[in-house]
Amino acid sequence: EAGVAQSPRYKIIEKRQSVAFWCNPISGHATLYWYQQILGQGPKLLIQFQNNGVVDDSQLPKDRFSAERLKGVDSTLKIQPAKLEDSAVYLCASSKSGERGNYEQYFGPGTRLTVT
Amino acid sequence: AQKVTQAQTEISVVEKEDVTLDCVYETRDTTYYLFWYKQPPSGELVFLIRRNSFDEQNEISGRYSWNFQKSTSSFNFTITASQVVDSAVYFCALSGLSNTGKLIFGQGTTLQVKP
Repeated sequence: EAGVAQSPRYKIIEKRQSVAFWCNPISGHATLYWYQQILGQGPKLLIQFQNNGVVDDSQLPKDRFSAERLKGVDSTLKIQPAKLEDSAVYLCASSKSGERGNYEQYFGPGTRLTVT
Repeated sequence: AQKVTQAQTEISVVEKEDVTLDCVYETRDTTYYLFWYKQPPSGELVFLIRRNSFDEQNEISGRYSWNFQKSTSSFNFTITASQVVDSAVYFCALSGLSNTGKLIFGQGTTLQVKP
């Protein structure tokens, strides 16, 4: 079974530029998560989708971050414009279901973003 | 509010030593789930175990074992006879019915196993 796919693996941009990350979850997984992991810290949830609906985006900086999950499969996370503090690893995860928290989440390899 | 604390920032052991990674959690949920993930230098988070709040049985998987104690709100992880390949950052995480299932991670413990 294929795991969670993410691209690109690395991205370097200048501040105020825009960037987009792509995620393809494990086949059949209804719930998709985007986490931000700053160096030396644990991952922090940015947004959670159940199929193509948003379950939790309370920690998403909506003035610059946006995400969508069209057709309930792939997802794209965008940052526009980027700030220096957005430098982090962006992790995508998926699970069979999510709202009850009783399924393990499987993570992709992440995208390491550096904003200069 | 939910919180996970991993007080040990870094641990260094010599190969074949046993090592325990501590995890303390806070939650008001009566139903919740605890997880351990491994993050090797490659960066990908690897799922190790999930326990629910109603199951306090300890679990053993090869050289790995987990001790869940609700009385002390702890979910500790022991590696027996450590190996160099165990070197990684280990995260403890919590999810519950009150937080839509998202994972609340601790700060992580960096384990270095020296040959």
